[in-house]
Amino acid sequence: DTEVTQTPKHLVMGMTNKKSLKCEQHMGHRAMYWYKQKAKKPPELMFVYSYEKLSINESVPSRFSPECPNSSLLNLHLHALQPEDSALYLCASSVGRGNLETQYFGPGTRLLVL
Amino acid sequence: QKEVEQNSGPLSVPEGAIASLNCTYSDRGSQSFFWYRQYSGKSPELIMFIYSNGDKEDGRFTAQLNKASQYVSLLIRDSQPSDSATYLCAVRLNSGYSTLTFGKGTMLLVSP
Repeated sequence: DTEVTQTPKHLVMGMTNKKSLKCEQHMGHRAMYWYKQKAKKPPELMFVYSYEKLSINESVPSRFSPECPNSSLLNLHLHALQPEDSALYLCASSVGRGNLETQYFGPGTRLLVL
Repeated sequence: QKEVEQNSGPLSVPEGAIASLNCTYSDRGSQSFFWYRQYSGKSPELIMFIYSNGDKEDGRFTAQLNKASQYVSLLIRDSQPSDSATYLCAVRLNSGYSTLTFGKGTMLLVSP
C-alpha cells in the first residue's frame, strides 16, 4: 500500500486568511515531504521531515509553516500568502532504504490565493 | 549545480508504437533514477525506478540506465492514448532520505 492522502483537494483563500493543508499516510514511512508545483513546471521541494523532525527547509518564506504532529501526519500552515503562491501543493512520503527508497505522492491540494 | 535534462516535447507517437523518453543528468554521484507519469491536473505517479546499469522491465515499460553516459531512458511499448501525459525524470544523489532532483518533464502525445 502506497497511499498518501491530502485534504482539502481545493482551497481558495484571501491574502489575509490562515489555512492549513493536511497530509496523512499510514504506511510507516519515516520521511515526508512538501512540494509546490506550478503549471508546466516540475515539483519544487519545500520541506522534508525525517523521523518527525524537520531535516530540510529549502529557503521557503515564513508564510509557509510546516508541522509534523506524529509519524503519520504532516501539516502545512499558510498565512498571509500572495497570489503567486497559487499552485498545486503535493505531499509525498518515502519507503525503503538506500537505492530502494522511493517517494510516493499524494493527490495534491490545488490552492488559489486571491 | 545538479541538473536533470529532458526534452520538453511534445513527443508524438501513433498508437501501438514505441515511445522513447530520454533524460540526462549532470552529477556522477547520482544513485537512483525514477520515472513519474503526471496527467494534467493530477499528481505525479511513480512508474519505475532503476539504480543498476542496464534494463529493467515492468509490463509495457522498460527503464534503461547507462551511468557512464549519465543517461536514463524510459521505453513504452504498444503506446496507448491513455499513456498521453507528462513524464518526469527524477534523480537522487545519495542513499538515505536525500532529495530528488526533477527534470522539467517530457509531454507524450499518443494519437489513435
